[in-house]
Amino acid sequence: DQQVKQNSPSLSVQEGRISILNCDYTNSMFDYFLWYKKYPAEGPTFLISISSIKDKNEDGRFTVFLNKSAKHLSLHIVPSQPGDSAVYFCAASVGNYKLTFGKGTLLTVNP
Amino acid sequence: KAGVTQTPRYLIKTRGQQVTLSCSPISGHRSVSWYQQTPGQGLQFLFEYFSETQRNKGNFPGRFSGRQFSNSRSEMNVSTLELGDSALYLCASSLASGGIYEQYFGPGTRLTVT
Repeated sequence: DQQVKQNSPSLSVQEGRISILNCDYTNSMFDYFLWYKKYPAEGPTFLISISSIKDKNEDGRFTVFLNKSAKHLSLHIVPSQPGDSAVYFCAASVGNYKLTFGKGTLLTVNP
Repeated sequence: KAGVTQTPRYLIKTRGQQVTLSCSPISGHRSVSWYQQTPGQGLQFLFEYFSETQRNKGNFPGRFSGRQFSNSRSEMNVSTLELGDSALYLCASSLASGGIYEQYFGPGTRLTVT
């Protein structure tokens, strides 16, 4: 049972435009959500997170939106840069329990 | 501050053998989690150790085991290797358990089983 789903395996965007990566979850008990970015041959690196008591969190070019009623979150990258090309993982947790990751979305930003 | 280190970085083993992977967390971090990454499966959680105790466990067979030492370093062991165990094994450390604590990942150990 996949509790965190990233339904788009890949996404291609032009440099300077907005990238929107989506994530759906099924466990209504999740109270913390995170996005990680992974380059080939490296471990994932933390990007941004959001608590379930908020619906938006912003950090520079990265904004995460949380829609609890739809059990959906999204990561917006504006403007997209070629260096943003990587695999993006959505993750969620309940309290101090383990993180559950989605399968990832490969973002390609074309110059 | 030094990051998470994993050794070895690459490993080739034969079916039926066993393997031990090592992870050194960031200094001061007491939680170490292990993940398996295979193509199309994302990051699948194996287990988490906190202060030498297994705190969380994923849905993997008993062939996968781990432990944590008093200095927070952790090892993961896979016995009776199968071809399907070929994967990138990632270790992550954090101050404590839970999503609110950012996990810092190591570069991973690429295991190939032939």
